[in-house]
Amino acid sequence: SYELTQPPSVSVSPGQTARITCSGDALPKQYAYWYQQKPGQAPVLVIYKDSERPSGIPERFSGSSSGTTVTLTISGVQAEDEADYYCQSADSSGTYEVFGGGTKLTVL
Amino acid sequence: QVQLQESGPGLVKPSETLSLTCTVSGGSISSYYWSWIRQPAGKGLEWIGRIYTSGSTNYNPSLKSRVTMSVDTSKNQFSLKLSSVTAADTAVYYCARVTTDPGDWFDPWGQGTLVTVSS
Repeated sequence: SYELTQPPSVSVSPGQTARITCSGDALPKQYAYWYQQKPGQAPVLVIYKDSERPSGIPERFSGSSSGTTVTLTISGVQAEDEADYYCQSADSSGTYEVFGGGTKLTVL
Repeated sequence: QVQLQESGPGLVKPSETLSLTCTVSGGSISSYYWSWIRQPAGKGLEWIGRIYTSGSTNYNPSLKSRVTMSVDTSKNQFSLKLSSVTAADTAVYYCARVTTDPGDWFDPWGQGTLVTVSS
């Protein structure tokens, strides 16, 4: 079955830049999406179609893609950005959706 | 804006069928795909499947044999049935709207409902 691989954790100090990666063989063919999930809450979409930002999401959130890896970048990290982040994409045929295992972002 | 709300029993016995409904408010259910996604406590997200308002479905291959989704456009609702449940099916179950443009993304999500499988 298809898998997306994320690092379990990333730690940064306030004001620094956090980069969270997501790797998968089908990513050159399929768009990736990113979600932020805070404890006890439903996930919230923060990036769609690799690099597009939904309305209401701060400009410090950005996304990029290179080959089999996509990256969520949070510039000028704030304490409120501490959360779990999940990437999501489809298998190579576009038939079913997969989530990465999630990355816990800790703001030191 | 569109809001989603999951409803259904919070406790299901092993080997029985889990049944959940998602009610969509603030907009029409028509002309969209709708998905179910679950999350065991302390673990990651798992896509269960999606349904279009025509009734067309796609399911996660790992759950396909046990999943049935349906839609009731007159009530602005869609539903999930998962048969032969075990403790491994204990999770928070979310419903979400799917946008396909192309590629699927999920926004917004319901608040989630905890379903525990236990005798």
